[in-house]
Amino acid sequence: QKEVEQNSGPLSVPEGAIASLNCTYSDRGSQSFFWYRQYSGKSPELIMSIYSNGDKEDGRFTAQLNKASQYVSLLIRDSQPSDSATYLCAAGTGGGAGTYKYIFGTGTRLKVLA
Amino acid sequence: NAGVMQNPRHLVRRRGQEARLRCSPMKGHSHVYWYRQLPEEGLKFMVYLQKENIIDESGMPKERFSAEFPKEGPSILRIQQVVRGDSAAYFCASSLVGDTFYFGPGTRLTVL
Repeated sequence: QKEVEQNSGPLSVPEGAIASLNCTYSDRGSQSFFWYRQYSGKSPELIMSIYSNGDKEDGRFTAQLNKASQYVSLLIRDSQPSDSATYLCAAGTGGGAGTYKYIFGTGTRLKVLA
Repeated sequence: NAGVMQNPRHLVRRRGQEARLRCSPMKGHSHVYWYRQLPEEGLKFMVYLQKENIIDESGMPKERFSAEFPKEGPSILRIQQVVRGDSAAYFCASSLVGDTFYFGPGTRLTVL
């Protein structure tokens, strides 16, 4: 069973601090990785995608990928109360013939305290 | 440039009725995915479709649930003889080809 695992939290950080969210995946064939943010009662919205080992930065967000350790993380710098949400990690695997499947973790709930 | 569209946004059904959920992918996207999210739980994969083809339905319950993505028109997730346990948010997502995928606003199904 291919899985993506995340700590459910809640992860509480003070405003202005760095929030670190982690995710591990079981399928070594996974090729693409995504972080989504989901506010309560809303649909997931894409924050970052990462495909290669290393870091990828976009504004206050940095995604990190380590395929050898099957580990993906998301760092949020200068955390704001508006960042309080559930963060979902997803791994995408090619199924052959141009098909792809995406598996989600259960999400980590982040609380940024003002 | 419209995003993924789903309708209805809210659907109320009585036990035993049928629920029909619609999803129109982003323009140019030919891959459609359906996910279910129960309250306080993560997103569970249900089915992956391309035009006129079911690619992977390993997450679909064996009975009462079906999905299609016809050559013309939206993708439809159909739930027959709904039960209270079917109450959930159903999200559709679409992608180009193995690339980033985008979610619709979801349909919140309530079974009375």
